[in-house]
Amino acid sequence: GENVEQHPSTLSVQEGDSAVIKCTYSDSASNYFPWYKQELGKRPQLIIDIRSNVGEKKDQRIAVTLNKTAKHFSLHITETQPEDSAVYFCAASRQAGTALIFGKGTTLSVSS
Amino acid sequence: GAVVSQHPSRVICKSGTSVKIECRSLDFQATTMFWYRQFPKQSLMLMATSNEGSKATYEQGVEKDKFLINHASLTLSTLTVTSAHPEDSSFYICSAPSPGLAGGSYNEQFFGPGTRLTVL
Repeated sequence: GENVEQHPSTLSVQEGDSAVIKCTYSDSASNYFPWYKQELGKRPQLIIDIRSNVGEKKDQRIAVTLNKTAKHFSLHITETQPEDSAVYFCAASRQAGTALIFGKGTTLSVSS
Repeated sequence: GAVVSQHPSRVICKSGTSVKIECRSLDFQATTMFWYRQFPKQSLMLMATSNEGSKATYEQGVEKDKFLINHASLTLSTLTVTSAHPEDSSFYICSAPSPGLAGGSYNEQFFGPGTRLTVL
């Protein structure tokens, strides 16, 4: 089955700096790669996603890149703000309607 | 976006009792729903896939006789933790895939708010 590795497990940055979180996946049939932000005790919130037919996607300060050949994808957050502090999870799924397999998460701390 | 609800939001029970958690898709139909478990400071681990009209599919290592799943209708899946023990204490979250709603990614999953289970 699919296995998703995520690094780093913790990341501390200064406000205004950029943050990058990287994930690799094992199943070459995976074609959907979302990123979630989760605050303590709450449900994961989708912040951006990318499908396998696209190499990069951007939404304001957030961008995701995908390298299907290498089977890795990354989350980039620019101009970080203290409210970006949370746990971020990458995930992968094979096709529409199938379960997501999550990475272990990255705790991002943005200090002002 | 679509809305998924869960009930209860938190439950405390005694060891040996059973607990039922409901997951509902409020404004769309879901022939498939997923149940995840999240221990403190850990990731979401897929437990099982709930299928309307057929048996659930369990992930390796998840006891199907302990975690009973019933997908009673196109908008409701229930997870029953039978004979709960303290090690079953966790955050249980369900999700349902988008059927292709306008403005939403076809692959997007909508998560319930989660149920915090504490077994004493």
